[in-house]
Amino acid sequence: NAGVTQTPKFQVLKTGQSMTLQCAQDMNHEYMSWYRQDPGMGLRLIHYSVGAGITDQGEVPNGYNVSRSTTEDFPLRLLSAAPSQTSVYFCASSGPRGITEAFFGQGTRLTVV
Amino acid sequence: GEDVEQSLFLSVREGDSSVINCTYTDSSSTYLYWYKQEPGAGLQLLTYIFSNMDMKQDQRLTVLLNKKDKHLSLRIADTQTGDSAIYFCAGEDGGATNKLIFGTGTLLAVQP
Repeated sequence: NAGVTQTPKFQVLKTGQSMTLQCAQDMNHEYMSWYRQDPGMGLRLIHYSVGAGITDQGEVPNGYNVSRSTTEDFPLRLLSAAPSQTSVYFCASSGPRGITEAFFGQGTRLTVV
Repeated sequence: GEDVEQSLFLSVREGDSSVINCTYTDSSSTYLYWYKQEPGAGLQLLTYIFSNMDMKQDQRLTVLLNKKDKHLSLRIADTQTGDSAIYFCAGEDGGATNKLIFGTGTLLAVQP
């Protein structure tokens, strides 16, 4: 049981480049979320999904897109990277009891230069 | 929306008790949570408390909830060096269990 798997673990982008952060879970969880972690600010919710085909914006959605074509996968897309998007990104999934069963991935450390 | 605040740093000696405090603003959370993050790792759900409870104990961990003051605390008894980590409290945005609002995190440093 792999849990929540994020790839890549580290990434350096140039300003204006695009990329996709991958997140996959093998627990058949309905809820999946993306957070970013910045020093002194805790984790902030970017986008979330309550099931395949359903996504919604969180607290800081600008500059990011998501899709949920399958239950297992919830990729996060940066369309045109900016230095302000330098952060550590965490994907989370949770089951039918909601966040009380939340599992987090190991994180992706992204640097935009 | 929910706003969650924590102190940034706590230093204790091995064997002492640690108390990490958190205040929140939104009373609609059904659950309030404590997460632990070790260096270079993701977040691990440590414990949670249902909003109609005042206290929850789980081995060395005790969670206290004061709903009147909107104050949450995590007490770790007999703190060990392996407890050194960042601890986050979190509430639910508008009572939604899949939309968490995290505090800034408290770095717990345990001195041998």
